[in-house]
Amino acid sequence: DAKTTQPPSMDCAEGRAANLPCNHSTISGNEYVYWYRQIHSQGPQYIIHGLKNNETNEMASLIITEDRKSSTLILPHATLRDTAVYYCIVRVAASGGGADGLTFGKGTHLIIQP
Amino acid sequence: DSGVTQTPKHLITATGQRVTLRCSPRSGDLSVYWYQQSLDQGLQFLIQYYNGEERAKGNILERFSAQQFPDLHSELNLSSLELGDSALYFCASSSRTGQGEKLFFGSGTQLSVL
Repeated sequence: DAKTTQPPSMDCAEGRAANLPCNHSTISGNEYVYWYRQIHSQGPQYIIHGLKNNETNEMASLIITEDRKSSTLILPHATLRDTAVYYCIVRVAASGGGADGLTFGKGTHLIIQP
Repeated sequence: DSGVTQTPKHLITATGQRVTLRCSPRSGDLSVYWYQQSLDQGLQFLIQYYNGEERAKGNILERFSAQQFPDLHSELNLSSLELGDSALYFCASSSRTGQGEKLFFGSGTQLSVL
């Protein structure tokens, strides 16, 4: 799986958009970009994933550059409850029933300031 | 609520003892994953089961073992416990979408070895 690089921490004001960058310069053509987050001591929570195109769901938007070497997770209107560690993970899709374990790095600790 | 149930929530035991952690996946999910999270190691993938069979192994110690039963629930057995085994243990199950897959995590079992 391709390695990812994320800033260790970021601050964002409540109500503003939080933009979390992730570099994955060695990504392969068949590897997806996944984002998860973990609020203190809770289980990680799936946010969004994508392959090439930008994706949006009720939680966030994922912007993937054209060369796929980096991506940005956007939380459009950050709230205090969005304070968490955000993990960017790159891996191939599962083959034939189930996935191998995702490898979590250190992630970005996003702190939403009131 | 992720739909993944882990019991017990807290477990306190002594060195040298053996414990069993239990996980019930989301309805319909065939894959179960176990992760360990300690303060200094972050989230470490231990092992994955798919429909009763071991699918992938991560950084799981020989003192640890797991199994998935016909009803798809899973148990993680930790034996000859050491102080360093104190950690949060998460279980996850996967839902495969049309492209890529999502992992849904339980709320974890906090193990304290004294």
